[in-house]
Amino acid sequence: GAVVSQHPSWVICKSGTSVKIECRSLDFQATTMFWYRQFPKQSLMLMATSNEGSKATYEQGVEKDKFLINHASLTLSTLTVTSAHPEDSSFYICSARDRTGGSPLHFGNGTRLTVT
Amino acid sequence: AQSVAQPEDQVNVAEGNPLTVKCTYSVSGNPYLFWYVQYPNRGLQFLLKYITGDNLVKGSYGFEAEFNKSQTSFHLKKPSALVSDSALYFCAVRDEGSGNTPLVFGKGTRLSVIA
Repeated sequence: GAVVSQHPSWVICKSGTSVKIECRSLDFQATTMFWYRQFPKQSLMLMATSNEGSKATYEQGVEKDKFLINHASLTLSTLTVTSAHPEDSSFYICSARDRTGGSPLHFGNGTRLTVT
Repeated sequence: AQSVAQPEDQVNVAEGNPLTVKCTYSVSGNPYLFWYVQYPNRGLQFLLKYITGDNLVKGSYGFEAEFNKSQTSFHLKKPSALVSDSALYFCAVRDEGSGNTPLVFGKGTRLSVIA
């Protein structure tokens, strides 16, 4: 089955530094990947849609200069949290679909970011 | 606009008893419906989906869900719950005609199966 690999699984960084999270589709090509953020005991919040070879589409309220998304190939999308602050601490999950239509989204295992 | 409602934040059930996790949806066209499960500090795992065809859909780990168009529901069920089923469950929907768009998720229902 389709596998999405996300790395790292957890990261601790100091306030003011930047953190890059990678999302790879291992056995399929993904022209589109989706980045979600999950707060404790809450649902998934869609942050942005990552499009291969073009700019990401950000959801309302998500700072594009804060959360930089690059989708340089059909199998890799990266999310960079720039100048991280403690309020950016969260669980970030990427997902991709191996086909259009009724195909389900396949999710990475998520990245737990803690900013101290 | 697409939306999903999971009316219960928490469902508790005794091991061996049947379980139901409720989901209702709203889309403008025909729905694509999905159930996912999430274990602590992990991503979401796909359980089952309804695209077309039989209203009763069978999925992984003995779970099934019934699509009810008149009630716009897609409740998740299992005949006999296991302690290992304890997790966070998400219902999601996408409109059939919405192209390669992301899923809209419900807020999740935490299932606790008590031994």
